Amino acid sequence: KNEVEQSPQNLTAQEGEFITINCSYSVGISALHWLQQHPGGGIVSLFMLSSGKKKHGRLIATINIQEKHSSLHITASHPRDSAVYICAVSRTGNQFYFGTGTSLTVIP
Amino acid sequence: NAGVTQTPKFQVLKTGQSMTLQCAQDMNHNSMYWYRQDPGMGLRLIYYSASEGTTDKGEVPNGYNVSRLNKREFSLRLESAAPSQTSVYFCASSEARVGWNTEAFFGQGTRLTVV
Repeated sequence: KNEVEQSPQNLTAQEGEFITINCSYSVGISALHWLQQHPGGGIVSLFMLSSGKKKHGRLIATINIQEKHSSLHITASHPRDSAVYICAVSRTGNQFYFGTGTSLTVIP
Repeated sequence: NAGVTQTPKFQVLKTGQSMTLQCAQDMNHNSMYWYRQDPGMGLRLIYYSASEGTTDKGEVPNGYNVSRLNKREFSLRLESAAPSQTSVYFCASSEARVGWNTEAFFGQGTRLTVV
């Protein structure tokens, strides 16, 4: 059983669409992270949040601690947003637990 | 501003060969990690080092050894490579302080194929 579950696993969208990726977790956490991985590329951190909402450009991340749920939204999606988005949680002891990722393809 | 640097980026090994993956970070982080990424699975922790001079096993340590050479460098060694070790390997580091939310910084990954 994975401590972090993401949905959907795969997502295809038309350019300009609003996209939502969901993440649920089953353990107590100190923070939740959204990461981005482009094909063949490294992993970069998009957000780290422990409450509420954060926004960076067209990306918005929210977290509901009581429901143990987070969402990553992409507004006005663009083909360059095509990537794998990974949800991860960090716990005491500085351990990270990762979801299996959501593969997003944005079609022009 | 290098961040986390991993070498090599690609490697093909024959079964039974050995190799060392190198990782260095320039952010003065205490914690460093080695993960492997396989299709359909989340990143899985191989080994981590909470501070210079300490290392601990993660979820999938069999077949690997590590060495925290100093605060900057954390290497991963495959003594006798097996096809099951074909994977993408990521090194990461974080500023691990009790009570602080820590962000992980990742290297570019090493694509290893064992034939």
